[in-house]
Amino acid sequence: RKEVEQDPGPFNVPEGATVAFNCTYSNSASQSFFWYRQDCRKEPKLLMSVYSSGNEDGRFTAQLNRASQYISLLIRDSKLSDSATYLCVVNDQAGTALIFGKGTTLSVSS
Amino acid sequence: DADVTQTPRNRITKTGKRIMLECSQTKGHDRMYWYRQDPGLGLRLIYYSFDVKDINKGEISDGYSVSRQAQAKFSLSLESAIPNQTALYFCATGRDTGTGWRGEQFFGPGTRLTVL
Repeated sequence: RKEVEQDPGPFNVPEGATVAFNCTYSNSASQSFFWYRQDCRKEPKLLMSVYSSGNEDGRFTAQLNRASQYISLLIRDSKLSDSATYLCVVNDQAGTALIFGKGTTLSVSS
Repeated sequence: DADVTQTPRNRITKTGKRIMLECSQTKGHDRMYWYRQDPGLGLRLIYYSFDVKDINKGEISDGYSVSRQAQAKFSLSLESAIPNQTALYFCATGRDTGTGWRGEQFFGPGTRLTVL
């Protein structure tokens, strides 16, 4: 049973493009949702939390659909520096730990 | 200075050797975690600790042990290393907000371990 599923990609887009990543999770009791960014061979870093009403941080927009157990991340006006792996993360059933998806790889080219 | 540090950053060892990976944090967080990351498998939780006297097994604890020496220190040991423990190991911290855990975690830079 895959608790957090993501399309691994890679997504190859030109600079300035808009790209969307999707994620599904299996635990209907999950309460905390995040997108993390991981650069090659580096540690994951929190990109943004995901709130029920949806939230935006600059060029990044996150959406949560609890009924469908679906999370999305939209990146507008892609930059070369956005090239990374994006990890979808939810808390586990006990609420004590985080479950990480395997990540979606984005490559932005000039 | 980094808030979460890990030592060593890289280590090559031989099968059967005992090895310890160390993690220290200056964030003042109560919660600490050890993960391993393998290509194609993502991050998997090995052990976690919510305070000095609290140790919990994660998804893949077999072959590993941990010690929470202080609030700021959490070490991971491989008692007898085997080649399939070759991976990138991350330590992470998190805090209890007191009003419900939001769950953000902050990661150290990782230790790249190779077992020959």
